[in-house]
Amino acid sequence: DTGVSQDPRHKITKRGQNVTFRCDPISEHNRLYWYRQTLGQGPEFLTYFQNEAQLEKSRLLSDRFSAERPKGSFSTLEIQRTEQGDSAMYLCASSPGAGSGETQYFGPGTRLLVL
Amino acid sequence: AQSVTQLGSHVSVSEGALVLLRCNYSSSVPPYLFWYVQYPNQGLQLLLKYTTGATLVKGINGFEAEFKKSETSFHLTKPSAHMSDAAEYFCAVSPSGGSNYKLTFGKGTLLTVNP
Repeated sequence: DTGVSQDPRHKITKRGQNVTFRCDPISEHNRLYWYRQTLGQGPEFLTYFQNEAQLEKSRLLSDRFSAERPKGSFSTLEIQRTEQGDSAMYLCASSPGAGSGETQYFGPGTRLLVL
Repeated sequence: AQSVTQLGSHVSVSEGALVLLRCNYSSSVPPYLFWYVQYPNQGLQLLLKYTTGATLVKGINGFEAEFKKSETSFHLTKPSAHMSDAAEYFCAVSPSGGSNYKLTFGKGTLLTVNP
């Protein structure tokens, strides 16, 4: 396994700009999760996909956020009209989709700074 | 709703000393339990997990944890700390049923190891 990869690793943007992050899960992993981690906090769930279907979104995911997973492979997370409060580490994780209790494998994250 | 409390945001030990990181959870039904470690500028790596079976779970790098249902606890221990153990540690829970296996994390405990 090559592991979960995320791109870019760091992003600095100005308030009001749009940003897009990419996550490439471990090959053949059916489930893909997005989490957000702010300074001094643990990661918080944002949304998850089973193959290409987005099955649940957290209340943390405002209308400015959208996530996709075309063809059930890589996923993108877009933030429109960024705000300073969006500054955080965005983590992606994937899992085989075999059932509850399975391990989620995390990528290195994308650190976003909104000026 | 599930929640996780990690007692002590910062734990400092001497090299060779016992490591004890505390985790308590709240859940209407017994959840699955995880410990992840995060090194600076990296994603999260699974140390160990409890799903079913033996309540004493052994993980990587000499860490172990014991699930105590009566105390709703899942404390992480290591008999002898090594300098390379310095990192942030997160306790997490996930539902044992349903379809969304999202992780709910505690706020983390930063472990420093003094020479």
